[in-house]
Amino acid sequence: DSGVTQTPKHLITATGQRVTLRCSPRSGDLSVYWYQQSLDQGLQFLIQYYNGEERAKGNILERFSAQQFPDLHSELNLSSLELGDSALYFCASSLTGTGAAAKNIQYFGAGTRLSVL
Amino acid sequence: GQQLNQSPQSMFIQEGEDVSMNCTSSSIFNTWLWYKQDPGEGPVLLIALYKAGELTSNGRLTAQFGITRKDSFLNISASIPSDVGIYFCAGPPGRGSTLGRLYFGRGTQLTVWP
Repeated sequence: DSGVTQTPKHLITATGQRVTLRCSPRSGDLSVYWYQQSLDQGLQFLIQYYNGEERAKGNILERFSAQQFPDLHSELNLSSLELGDSALYFCASSLTGTGAAAKNIQYFGAGTRLSVL
Repeated sequence: GQQLNQSPQSMFIQEGEDVSMNCTSSSIFNTWLWYKQDPGEGPVLLIALYKAGELTSNGRLTAQFGITRKDSFLNISASIPSDVGIYFCAGPPGRGSTLGRLYFGRGTQLTVWP
């Protein structure tokens, strides 16, 4: 158990809908990362938050947004869903997100499998 | 963006055999990470490497940080059925020691026959 909790584990929805994925980081970790894993693209970084602030952005679509709350949990919002958004979405957390590499190993949750029909 | 080329894409081996896989990058990395992903689970960190030339072991797993800083290798000795899964190399971009986003290789799917 990595200590990172993601809910729900599975999500089935229709095109055009909006969903919210939730992530609770490991106790003490301040940084949260979101990744998308699909068969054709592999594991792709979406966005990073550190202590409530956006830290880095990857190839995240404009239809997607995220936030990190004061209790450090994070939510990833996906809207106007398309068939191609079907994928595994992972959350990872690390101690700080900057500084000494050994303190910033990312630990991954079990993921949310999103199926858009 | 960064490209991590991981090979082989898949391996089918018999229990007891040794396994080698590698990862190369078009640019220098200061940290190399190896993760394993089981079906239905998230990636789990196996080994972290922080220095060029570093050789680190974790049980039957041994990984090396290439001296060019552009490659890394993972070896599994005496494979067992529970070694089945997808192995990923990963690393942060940039020349500094800060860790942020990770770039991942496409993975090596390992199948072990009893």
